[in-house]
Amino acid sequence: EVHLVESGGGLVQPGGSLRLSCAASGFTFSNSWMHWVRQAPGKGLVWVSRINSDGRTTIYADSVKGRFTISRDNAKNTLYLQMNSLRADDTAFYYCTRGNPVPNSWGQGTLVAVSS
Amino acid sequence: QTVVTQEPSFSVSPGGTVTLTCGLSSGSVSSSSYPSWSQQTPGQAPRTLIFSTNFRSSGVPDRFSGSIVGNKAALTITGAQADDECDYYCVLYMGDGTSAFGGGTRLTVL
Repeated sequence: EVHLVESGGGLVQPGGSLRLSCAASGFTFSNSWMHWVRQAPGKGLVWVSRINSDGRTTIYADSVKGRFTISRDNAKNTLYLQMNSLRADDTAFYYCTRGNPVPNSWGQGTLVAVSS
Repeated sequence: QTVVTQEPSFSVSPGGTVTLTCGLSSGSVSSSSYPSWSQQTPGQAPRTLIFSTNFRSSGVPDRFSGSIVGNKAALTITGAQADDECDYYCVLYMGDGTSAFGGGTRLTVL
């Protein structure tokens, strides 16, 4: 069974940085495309970024391009999202997801709150 | 910019059948869009019901089915139950490497 556990969320000031992690198990992580999806409180799901199985290809939503970096460590079965220059509108639950080409397995999410 | 469209809300009677749709503001949805449908109850993470148009995720009852109808993806729920009342999201592959979610449909069972 696919198991994805996010961590690293919390409260951060505008302009600050945060690194999210996602520990994966129950499937062959190194063969899987992975995504980050976010959801602001009371709002819908928004696709953020995707990385292919070997980490060489990444792609981002325009809203985070240049500020967020997705990466992975296949030896550790872990996905990351480095978030810099955070803004209030980045406040959301962030979900680690697996899927090729679209997300279709979900973690429980981690909350990122950007506020002064 | 092409937007993924869903009905904002829908209502179905208990035991009834409802079809939710997922389209594009410009163009048609096809199997190459790999439409996927997820269900989300308040306070919970999403759960994918259908992926790649019509494949059910493990443990999903067969009263949930996916298809392409005309130029849209469709999620059909037959024999609607009270605990089907929640939000449903579709996601599509946009062909440029990105994915895009629809705004979600809030389903009411009454």
